[in-house]
Amino acid sequence: EAAVTQSPRNKVTVTGGNVTLSCRQTNSHNYMYWYRQDTGHGLRLIHYSYGAGNLQIGDVPDGYKATRTTQEDFFLLLELASPSQTSLYFCASSEGLGVYEQYFGPGTRLTVL
Amino acid sequence: QQKVQQSPESLIVPEGGMASLNCTSSDRNVDYFWWYRQHSGKSPKMLMSIFSNGEKEEGRFTVHLNKASLHTSLHIRDSQPSDSALYLCAASNSGTYQRFGTGTKLQVVP
Repeated sequence: EAAVTQSPRNKVTVTGGNVTLSCRQTNSHNYMYWYRQDTGHGLRLIHYSYGAGNLQIGDVPDGYKATRTTQEDFFLLLELASPSQTSLYFCASSEGLGVYEQYFGPGTRLTVL
Repeated sequence: QQKVQQSPESLIVPEGGMASLNCTSSDRNVDYFWWYRQHSGKSPKMLMSIFSNGEKEEGRFTVHLNKASLHTSLHIRDSQPSDSALYLCAASNSGTYQRFGTGTKLQVVP
């Protein structure tokens, strides 16, 4: 089964702080995704990537940067974090884009005070 | 605007009963529909997918798809307390990422 890991699992920062969330997948999947999940909004795609060095924007990219350094590793960067970015963040991976199942990591709960 | 609408927002069914969840896409370019299940405190896991008109059954779970109306439904028969979870619907086509709805929270009570 697909294995996607995330770190840290919980993070608390202050407004204006810098945060980096990490994701690693060990399935040789081409695509990786970053989502945020908020009550009443479901899962919303922030950024995704189809390979090392590639980055595509999703539906809610404002305030977020991301970088795919290798096929396995995808990072989400929050520079100047704001309370509105308090959320549960999921990373996912898939073999391809629209016709392939996504495998999710365990999530990172971020609180911005 | 939310392109994938799910209803109801929440649903309570008795143990052994039938749960019916609905999902409609407002994007006419989608071809594929997905159902993911997310237990409390856990990550989403794909439950079923359906790409063709008609019905697909896997154990107690049945999915219907009407491509003309871009509507899919998930039916769970003989519901169990372990089925209590958030059910997320997603829609996509071969060239786009999956876009998710806001989910239906199902509670199965003994």
